[in-house]
Amino acid sequence: GQNIDQPTEMTATEGAIVQINCTYQTSGFNGLFWYQQHAGEAPTFLSYNVLDGLEEKGRFSSFLSRSKGYSYLLLKELQMKDSASYLCAAQNSGYSTLTFGKGTMLLVSP
Amino acid sequence: GAGVSQSPRYKVAKRGQDVALRCDPISGHVSLFWYQQALGQGPEFLTYFQNEAQLDKSGLPSDRFFAERPEGSVSTLKIQRTQQEDSAVYLCASSAGTSGRASYNEQFFGPGTRLTVL
Repeated sequence: GQNIDQPTEMTATEGAIVQINCTYQTSGFNGLFWYQQHAGEAPTFLSYNVLDGLEEKGRFSSFLSRSKGYSYLLLKELQMKDSASYLCAAQNSGYSTLTFGKGTMLLVSP
Repeated sequence: GAGVSQSPRYKVAKRGQDVALRCDPISGHVSLFWYQQALGQGPEFLTYFQNEAQLDKSGLPSDRFFAERPEGSVSTLKIQRTQQEDSAVYLCASSAGTSGRASYNEQFFGPGTRLTVL
């Protein structure tokens, strides 16, 4: 099975940088996804890491260390619209199903 | 359509009633997943289809839950004799492939069906 841990809530100020950490314990790991979910909406894809290292995509970057079972999502130049839940998900080897963490609710204030 | 669609968006059922939730995946997507998301929680895996074959149903919480995808496209999740603990958002997701490159692995989610059992 999989166990995913991420903080429940985080707060940050508009224009700042925030890092959301995720640790996972898995049996059969293929890769690590980050999704963004606004209240009442579907999760939307942010990033996917298979290899160790940093993947940068605009204001968002994601890091993976397979040996440590650790990932983080880095959000730069925060905007009010970034207030959402951020879901860390481990992809299982085999059928590529996802095991999600409980999500980190990020609140961006002016 | 351009994305994954689900219907109905909202469903209120009386305890003991049967419900059917529909998912239309992105055209041509091989893989289809169902997830259950309780309030304030992350989605939890229910079942997985590769084309019309249900390859993993390990997440279905009881034998009251049944899913099908008879022609490898539209899928239906059926819940019999609904209970209050079934109240949740049911999310459907599809992806282009089954493994390999990231472009094939990304799961696209539908808006979900919010089920409330009274």
